[in-house]
This record gives sequence, structure tokens and C-alpha cells, in this order.
Amino acid sequence: EVQLVQSGAEVKKPGESLKISCKGSGYSFTSYWIGWVRQMPGKGLEWMGIIYPGDSDTRYSPSFQGQVTISADKSISTAYLQWSSLKASDTAMYYCARHLSPYSYGPNPYDYWGQGTLVTVSS
Amino acid sequence: EIVMTQSPATLSVSPGERATLSCRASQSVSSNLAWYQQKPGQAPRLLIYGASTRATGIPARFSGSGSGTEFTLTISSLQSEDFAVYYCQQYNNWPPDTFGQGTKLEIK
Repeated sequence: EVQLVQSGAEVKKPGESLKISCKGSGYSFTSYWIGWVRQMPGKGLEWMGIIYPGDSDTRYSPSFQGQVTISADKSISTAYLQWSSLKASDTAMYYCARHLSPYSYGPNPYDYWGQGTLVTVSS
Repeated sequence: EIVMTQSPATLSVSPGERATLSCRASQSVSSNLAWYQQKPGQAPRLLIYGASTRATGIPARFSGSGSGTEFTLTISSLQSEDFAVYYCQQYNNWPPDTFGQGTKLEIK
């Protein structure tokens, strides 16, 4: 069974750093792109970026470039999303999601999603 | 960046009736369009991809159509579990993928 299991909720102060995780199981982790999606409270879905764990090729949305870092450790089948200095506006639910097809640099939707990690940034 | 626009923002429909949701792209995305359903407190769920292909396990009452810039999600006979927020997503020109702002389907 394919699963993406994300790390638990976080409460942080502005200026702190944070790294959240997304662990894949039940499939070949290195063969599928993993994307990250933000959902601010009561709002819609925003695509942040994506990584191919096989070679760590990473792409970012212009809106998030320089604001976050996406990485992966294929030895433990885990992708990461990290911030070096959080802001209150980073308060949101963050989802990881897997591309439908393996090995592909072509168009792909997301078929499996993590349960989400709620990040709250407040002084 | 391609902008996806969904309409209406909120749709009120009675159980058993048909619901039609629309999504428009600011430029052609071919058939690289997906629909997701999101219920409160849950992650999005893939319903339709390739504009018209149902994802695994999705009931036949869900159907998608369109290509280029105009797309439609139709739910033929609404069940109680279908009331949720629906998002379209283009994945033709990435990065970035882009989502519409969502349509809330509510019980009339």
C-alpha cells in the first residue's frame, strides 16, 4: 500500500527554523517526483515545489523560490521542506504529494497525498 | 504562470441532482488538467486526470470533460459524501503547477 506519512504539527516563533518531513512507503521512492503544496487557513491550494528523490532534481514555484528549501534523503525514503527563518505568514497546512507516473519529467497529477503538517508561527 | 479560474465559487445543489463545475485556464493546457476533492480536515483526493480519466476507485458519477482552456467536472447524482470543495489543477506547464481557487459544493 502506497503511503506518504508526514511529521506532526509544529508551533514555532517568528525567526525560528523548521524542517518537516514526508516519508514514502509501499513504492519505489526514488522513482516518483514528490511535490509540496501549501494551504493557508481557509484558503486554496498553492504549489510550492517538487523534487525527484532519485537524483534530487528540484524545482520551485517563483512564489516560493528562496523562501523554502526542498530536499530528500533516499536512504530513508523521506522528503523534506524547510525554512531558515519562519514568518507568521508561513502559518498553514503543508501537504506532500506524489506524481501519478514514475520516471517522468512530463505532465503528471498527484495521486497520493500525505495527511498534512500544520505549521503555526506565532510570537 | 498559467492562471486557473473556477466558477462558481459556491454551488448549492440538492442531493440526487446534477452538479456542474467549471474551470478555465489562461492559456491552453491541452488535456493536462486534474480535479481534486477536499473535505474538511482531509488532504485533497485525486478524482480526474487527463481532463476525463477517473482515478482509481472514483465512482462513475464523477466525469470530466474539456481540453485547451475550458474544462468541466460533472457529478451526475449528488450523494451526501460529495459535498466538499473541488479544485482543478493544470500540470501541463510546470513548474509551477497551478490550482484554481476552488468551488465549494454545498447542500441546497
